[in-house]
Amino acid sequence: QKEVEQNSGPLSVPEGAIASLNCTYSDRGSQSFFWYRQYSGKSPELIMFIYSNGDKEDGRFTAQLNKASQYVSLLIRDSQPSDSATYLCAVNIPSGGSYIPTFGRGTSLIVHP
Amino acid sequence: NAGVTQTPKFQVLKTGQSMTLQCAQDMNHNSMYWYRQDPGMGLRLIYYSASEGTTDKGEVPNGYNVSRLNKREFSLRLESAAPSQTSVYFCASSRRRGQGNEKLFFGSGTQLSVL
Repeated sequence: QKEVEQNSGPLSVPEGAIASLNCTYSDRGSQSFFWYRQYSGKSPELIMFIYSNGDKEDGRFTAQLNKASQYVSLLIRDSQPSDSATYLCAVNIPSGGSYIPTFGRGTSLIVHP
Repeated sequence: NAGVTQTPKFQVLKTGQSMTLQCAQDMNHNSMYWYRQDPGMGLRLIYYSASEGTTDKGEVPNGYNVSRLNKREFSLRLESAAPSQTSVYFCASSRRRGQGNEKLFFGSGTQLSVL
């Protein structure tokens, strides 16, 4: 079992809807959780990070973390066609006194007009 | 600031050839990483260097070697390329070693094809 799991999708939502992207992780010692967006042919770019249980909002994006359930999600409100991309969940997993950034497979999001 | 610079951007190799992917960062980061990305597989860690002078294996190290030349540079070498190493390779860096809240800064990637 991969340490960070995501549904590969594609997730298709109409323009203006809320897109909900989910991620689970296996190591309870994991400390920090990140969402990267990757457009086709480009490198990943950070859009959100969260360290504490609860919600964190930044514009149209909300990250939610539930450490008890080992679950992190990303909500995109008022989805736009420009949000169409692959969203990568990353978790800093403890290993030998350091933390290793570990990625899920990514979820492809398609926002259609 | 240039951030994280990777070279080359594209490369085609024949099976058995060797090559080195170069990566340099100008952000004074301690930790550097090499990932590969295959369709549907996300990013998988090949090797990382938590700090200058140290390197460690990641999830998929077979067929690769790395060198942390100095604090700025972290190279990835394929000694005898195989078609299974056809992939997109990303170098990344983060600021501090051993910190759990550090985000990654990525290079632009190298698209490698092994024929």
